[in-house]
Amino acid sequence: EIVLTQSPGTLSLSPGERATLSCRASQSVSSSYLAWYQQKPGQAPRLLIYGASSRATGIPDRFSGSGSGTDFTLTISRLEPEDFAVYYCQQYVLFGGGTKVEIK
Amino acid sequence: QLQLQESGSGLVKPSQTLSLTCAVSGGSISSGGYSWSWIRQPPGKGLEWIGYIYHSGSTYYNPSLKSRVTISVDRSKNQFSLKLSSVTAADTAVYYCARGVVPAAAIDYWGQGTLVTVSS
Repeated sequence: EIVLTQSPGTLSLSPGERATLSCRASQSVSSSYLAWYQQKPGQAPRLLIYGASSRATGIPDRFSGSGSGTDFTLTISRLEPEDFAVYYCQQYVLFGGGTKVEIK
Repeated sequence: QLQLQESGSGLVKPSQTLSLTCAVSGGSISSGGYSWSWIRQPPGKGLEWIGYIYHSGSTYYNPSLKSRVTISVDRSKNQFSLKLSSVTAADTAVYYCARGVVPAAAIDYWGQGTLVTVSS
């Protein structure tokens, strides 16, 4: 059974800084099935990235995804105030445990 | 613009069956290329996929819940439903209905979510 491990659990950064979030799979997975979501309190998740590196409709280009095999990364180039949230990776029907990006 | 709206009981007694319905508007549930999912999130915790159904009626269920879950579709009403039997307090969660893009399962549309509490 594949397990997705996200790190770090919490990332404390200031607006304008770069955020790098990791999603590691316990075995090699297809990049086609790797997605990233953003969730704010009281809201449903929002699709950011699909196919490991393709931005979903309306997602700003400061969000980018990369990786293959077992290691995937979500990068937010310069954090905006609205980017502080919890981020989840997903591989097919599995979700990672999430990374909280909080204001430092 | 596709919209999904969950409805159903917000309070279920232990050992009873949780029943939720997701009404889809702005698009047809019979369209190919999509899966229709139920995903849940216990308070303060992460996301768990419960299962999905294709427009054809074929289903996938999370192995950890498979013995208790049924997902069905009503094309005439453009909606799909979830039944989860023998619930316990561990089933207390926000339940989301959602649309996934086949085959990658990336969820591009979500309902707003509905909190279901299991308590006597």
